[in-house]
This record gives sequence, C-alpha cells and structure tokens, in this order.
Amino acid sequence: SYVLTQPPSVSVAPGQTARITCGGNNIGSKSVHWYQQKPGQAPVLVVYEDSDRPSGIPERFSGSNSGNTATLTISRVEAGDEADYYCHVWDNSNDHYVFGTGTKVSVL
Amino acid sequence: EVQLVQSVAEVKKPGESLKISCKGSEYSFTSYWIGWVRQMPGNGLEWMGIIYPGDSDTRYSPSFQGQVTISADKSLSTAYLQWTSLKASDTAMYYCARAGQVRGVVAFDVWGQGTMVTVSS
Repeated sequence: SYVLTQPPSVSVAPGQTARITCGGNNIGSKSVHWYQQKPGQAPVLVVYEDSDRPSGIPERFSGSNSGNTATLTISRVEAGDEADYYCHVWDNSNDHYVFGTGTKVSVL
Repeated sequence: EVQLVQSVAEVKKPGESLKISCKGSEYSFTSYWIGWVRQMPGNGLEWMGIIYPGDSDTRYSPSFQGQVTISADKSLSTAYLQWTSLKASDTAMYYCARAGQVRGVVAFDVWGQGTMVTVSS
C-alpha cells in the first residue's frame, strides 16, 4: 500500500518559515492536500491540489509537489499556526485514500 | 454555510453495537462523497471508507473492511458508521468529511466536529 512519510516535528521561531515535507513514491504524479489540526479540534483543509488555498486560508500557507516530495510552507509563522499538519492523497492504483504520518509544528 | 454535524459522544461496553451519524446541510448531500476518518488517542488520521449517498456506492480501507459498515439515508441527508460488536481498540475520535463530487483527487473540504467513541468494561 502507498505510504506517506512526514517528519514527526518541526520547530520554528515566530516570523520565520516552516517547511513540512511529505514523502511518497512518485508523489509528484498525485494531487496532494494538507490539513491543519489544532488540539481538540477537527482537521481543517489549508492547501488542496498541491498548491491551492481554500477561501479564508492566509496566503502565508503555500504548497508544492515534485518528484518524491510534497512540501507545505508556512511563511511568517505565528503562534496560532502551532498545530499538527497532515498530507493526504488518493492512491489511484488501489482506489484508497492515504494520510501522512503527521507533523507537529511548534512555535518557539 | 456547508456543515456536517455529527452525533454526540458515546460510551459503550465491549461486544455492544453502535451506529453514529453525520448530517449534511446547505449543499446537495446526494452529489458529494462522504468519508470517515479514525483518530485514536494521541495518533494520526486513518481513512476508513467512503460512500456516495446518491447511490450508496461504498469503498472501504482494507484495514476496516469487515470491521465496520458505512451507510447513508439520502432522505435524511445523513451518513452512518456502525459496529456490530465493539472492542476496546475501537476507542477513538471518528470524523466524517465531505470528499467532493468525484471520488479520488478531490480534498476533504468540510469536516464534522467528530464523535468520540469510548469502549470500556
């Protein structure tokens, strides 16, 4: 089955840039979505189809996808960005959805 | 505003049955797939399965096939997740999410608030 690997944690100072990677075999050929989940809350879609943002999501959130790695970038990080982030794809060869292992972003 | 509202938290004993619900509003419920996602305490998100309420076409993750049943009542704009015999290991938060009009590449754009299921003797 298809596996998506994320770093367990990323730490970043306020105002700096956080980059969260999502590794998968030839993930660049798939459409990647990213979700933010704060403690005690449901996940929220922050980037879809590699690099698009839903309405209401700040421009500070951006995404890219190429080769074997997709990346969620959070620019000018704020304390309110502290959360768990998950990548997500549809594995068309098996007709399954797959979530990444999740990354905890801590704001120093 | 598009919303998915889930049923309240449940506390059950091992071996009991359970059906939790997810009601959609302010969109065409029959035209969008609805997915179910499990989150065990302290763990990540796991895709369980997905249903198209328009014709009840349903797909399951291999990890959950045979363990749960996903269904929908389009007249009530409600999707369901059910167990016939709960285990302690079913203790988790369960989310429903809207998954687009075409199964596959589309994101889960709207999520329910979650239903916490606790199974304990």
